[in-house]
Amino acid sequence: DAKTTQPPSMDCAEGRAANLPCNHSTISGNEYVYWYRQIHSQGPQYIIHGLKNNETNEMASLIITEDRKSSTLILPHATLRDTAVYYCIVRSGMNRDDKIIFGKGTRLHILP
Amino acid sequence: GAVVSQHPSWVICKSGTSVKIECRSLDFQATTMFWYRQFPKQSLMLMATSNEGSKATYEQGVEKDKFLINHASLTLSTLTVTSAHPEDSSFYICSASSGTGANVLTFGAGSRLTVL
Repeated sequence: DAKTTQPPSMDCAEGRAANLPCNHSTISGNEYVYWYRQIHSQGPQYIIHGLKNNETNEMASLIITEDRKSSTLILPHATLRDTAVYYCIVRSGMNRDDKIIFGKGTRLHILP
Repeated sequence: GAVVSQHPSWVICKSGTSVKIECRSLDFQATTMFWYRQFPKQSLMLMATSNEGSKATYEQGVEKDKFLINHASLTLSTLTVTSAHPEDSSFYICSASSGTGANVLTFGAGSRLTVL
C-alpha cells in the first residue's frame, strides 16, 4: 500500500498559489518526501524532494512539518500548464533499489 | 540531469503477438529499474523490479511468464508482453535512480500499447 494520502482533487485559480497537502504519518527516519506530477499521457516528472527542512527550487516549494508527518507542495503562481496529477511519495534517500508504490495522487485543475 | 528513454512511445499490435518495450538510462548506469503499468484514470501500478544480471522481482498478481523482463546491461531493461491480448492494452512506464541527488527516481515518457 502507498505510504501517503492526498486529497483526490483540487482547484486553483490561474496566477494564484496552489497548495497541495500530503499526509505521511508512518514516514521513517531515512525516508525522504518526493513530489512528482504527471501530465496526461506522459511519464511522471520530478518536482522537488526534502528530508526535514523546507526546500525551494525553480518549480515549487516544499514545506515539511516538524514531526515530518505531513507536507505541502506549493506552486507559487499556478498556470494552466500546471494542470496535472500530483503524487507525494516517501522513499529511502539512500537505497536505489527501494521501490515506490504510488497512491492515487491529487488531480489539480487550474482554472482560467 | 538523469534521462530515461523508452521506445517505442506507442505501439499497436494484433492479439496473440508479442511486443518488446525498451528502457534505457542515457547518462547513468542503473542496476535497478522499475516497470509500471497505468490504466486510464488510474494511478501507476508497480509491475516488477528489474535487476541487472539477475531475475526480476514481480509484484503479487503480475504474471512473470506473461511479462518478461530482461536487464542485460547497466543501461538497458526490456519488457516483453507475450501473447498480448486486448486487456494488456495500457500505458507502460519505466524508471530508474541515478544514485545522485538523494535517490531521485527518473521516469521514462511511457509506452502506450494497444492490442487489437
